[in-house]
Amino acid sequence: AAGVIQSPRHLIKEKRETATLKCYPIPRHDTVYWYQQGPGQDPQFLISFYEKMQSDKGSIPDRFSAQQFSDYHSELNMSSLELGDSALYFCASSSRMNTEAFFGQGTRLTVV
Amino acid sequence: TQLLEQSPQFLSIQEGENLTVYCNSSSVFSSLQWYRQEPGEGPVLLVTVVTGGEVKKLKRLTFQFGDARKDSSLHITAAQPGDTGLYLCAGVNNDMRFGAGTRLTVKP
Repeated sequence: AAGVIQSPRHLIKEKRETATLKCYPIPRHDTVYWYQQGPGQDPQFLISFYEKMQSDKGSIPDRFSAQQFSDYHSELNMSSLELGDSALYFCASSSRMNTEAFFGQGTRLTVV
Repeated sequence: TQLLEQSPQFLSIQEGENLTVYCNSSSVFSSLQWYRQEPGEGPVLLVTVVTGGEVKKLKRLTFQFGDARKDSSLHITAAQPGDTGLYLCAGVNNDMRFGAGTRLTVKP
């Protein structure tokens, strides 16, 4: 069965650069969540989308933005990167009819 | 402030022991999910509980949703080294928020 696909799996950027993370949800899933997980920490909710509209916003910095496209894939855009942005970024998808969420394998972002 | 409080934060036990971990909140959720995460991997869904008082069993794992749908527990019987991992609960309303997790280590 198709799972949530995230790309890239690993990304190294320098401070003040920009990064774009992509998430391709499971087919027919209409909801996408983004989470940031620092070393040894629990996943922190950033933002979610339902049917291409922002559904809820968590602790997403103003330097970050995200959107969900017509094909339901989502992109997390990160600008003016800081060392503290180094983390695993997970995307999860679910269907509103069945809220069970499935996670991608994450993108490990390292800011140097 | 954490929306969901999980306890204990760390738990180290011997193979064969039983354990219970807890997930508590002051908020009511439409459903609550338990995930298990291994290092460097995404969380994997174990179970979803929806009805207050609901009990679900998954082999040696027993999940219970509180009557008021604010809390949940996960009980593992005869723990095995393969149960080692980070156990996360997530409360679901319009979005999904995680607790800080319980890091379980089962020693052979």
